[in-house]
Amino acid sequence: ETGVTQTPRHLVMGMTNKKSLKCEQHLGHNAMYWYKQSAKKPLELMFVYNFKEQTENNSVPSRFSPECPNSSHLFLHLHTLQPEDSALYLCASSQDEGEVYNEQFFGPGTRLTVL
Amino acid sequence: GQNIDQPTEMTATEGAIVQINCTYQTSGFNGLFWYQQHAGEAPTFLSYNVLDGLEEKGRFSSFLSRSKGYSYLLLKELQMKDSASYLCAVRDGDYKLSFGAGTTVTVRA
Repeated sequence: ETGVTQTPRHLVMGMTNKKSLKCEQHLGHNAMYWYKQSAKKPLELMFVYNFKEQTENNSVPSRFSPECPNSSHLFLHLHTLQPEDSALYLCASSQDEGEVYNEQFFGPGTRLTVL
Repeated sequence: GQNIDQPTEMTATEGAIVQINCTYQTSGFNGLFWYQQHAGEAPTFLSYNVLDGLEEKGRFSSFLSRSKGYSYLLLKELQMKDSASYLCAVRDGDYKLSFGAGTTVTVRA
């Protein structure tokens, strides 16, 4: 257990569906991250929130919409996805985005399949 | 973007030593991380290097040479449970963390 939980662990959705991924951290951290992990590719940073403010949007398509209501919770709202969006979506948290030594703690991920 | 390279796969025998290399080219440097990720699980932190030299933590050691843009993770006395993907990640001058594609290590009996 890393102190970061994600639900659901698996999700299958059609291209016209709307779904949301949830992440919660119990570590008292101030920064939270969404990553996309595709097979044999590097982890791709999608969004960063620091003290509930979005500080990074790494050119992510608008069909992915993040929400951070407080420092402990992070959501990723999904709509009109494409099959190529199928991947493992990882959430992470760290004490603060800007500190030099800033270990990130990862959740187990949501395995998303878009049909 | 940043460029981080590591081998795709490595295989070794139980009890042996394996060295996973990572080379990087980034705009500025604020540290290098190694993470371990078992299949279907979260990546977990292994080590952090920001100064040149070797950091040892039990059976795992990590080395950094900033002038060469090079790091390695050394796994000693390999155990079956060490079969996993090992991710190299570099924090650049803007404190952004970029990951390599990962090295899948398979430990054989």
